[in-house]
Amino acid sequence: DVKVTQSSRYLVKRTGEKVFLECVQDMDHENMFWYRQDPGLGLRLIYFSYDVKMKEKGDIPEGYSVSREKKERFSLILESASTNQTSMYLCASRLAGLNTGELFFGEGSRLTVL
Amino acid sequence: AQKITQTQPGMFVQEKEAVTLDCTYDTSDPSYGLFWYKQPSSGEMIFLIYQGSYDQQNATEGRYSLNFQKARKSANLVISASQLGDSAMYFCAMREGQGAAGNKLTFGGGTRVLVKP
Repeated sequence: DVKVTQSSRYLVKRTGEKVFLECVQDMDHENMFWYRQDPGLGLRLIYFSYDVKMKEKGDIPEGYSVSREKKERFSLILESASTNQTSMYLCASRLAGLNTGELFFGEGSRLTVL
Repeated sequence: AQKITQTQPGMFVQEKEAVTLDCTYDTSDPSYGLFWYKQPSSGEMIFLIYQGSYDQQNATEGRYSLNFQKARKSANLVISASQLGDSAMYFCAMREGQGAAGNKLTFGGGTRVLVKP
């Protein structure tokens, strides 16, 4: 079974702090994604990566950056956390080149910025 | 413009009845795929069903079927014989294009389903 593991289920940070959210997958998937989920807005794509060191902006990249130094690991970075970044963050991975391939999700990281 | 629209924020369904969840999409790309996911209260995202834009037949997976109407750009999910365990949030998503650009999925706002006994 594909396993996508997010390092923290719950985090509480203060405004201005730097925040790292880590995600690791164990199925050698090329593609990895970071979404944020907010009530009524569904899942919105922040960034995705289609290979090591490669990244593409999603729909809401402002205030975020990412890092993919190894194939299995995709990190989301909030350089200076703000209260409007309080949200549930979902990491996902997918096999590239397979149109029918679904996303496999981690359990989510609920971030609260005070 | 919204690429994926789910117009029903929430709905009740009686146990053992069928329910249809609406999803409309917007794309000019001839190659795309449509996905449905279920998110129970535990928070995990569970893949349910997939429909490709070139698929001739509507997709089915057990009690789930996808009513794909290409000309209307709709991909409604039908859940037959609802069970209490079907109570969850349901998301429609779309993949557009090919190659690296075609690898991302865009999600709708979701529909919350509550199955009544």
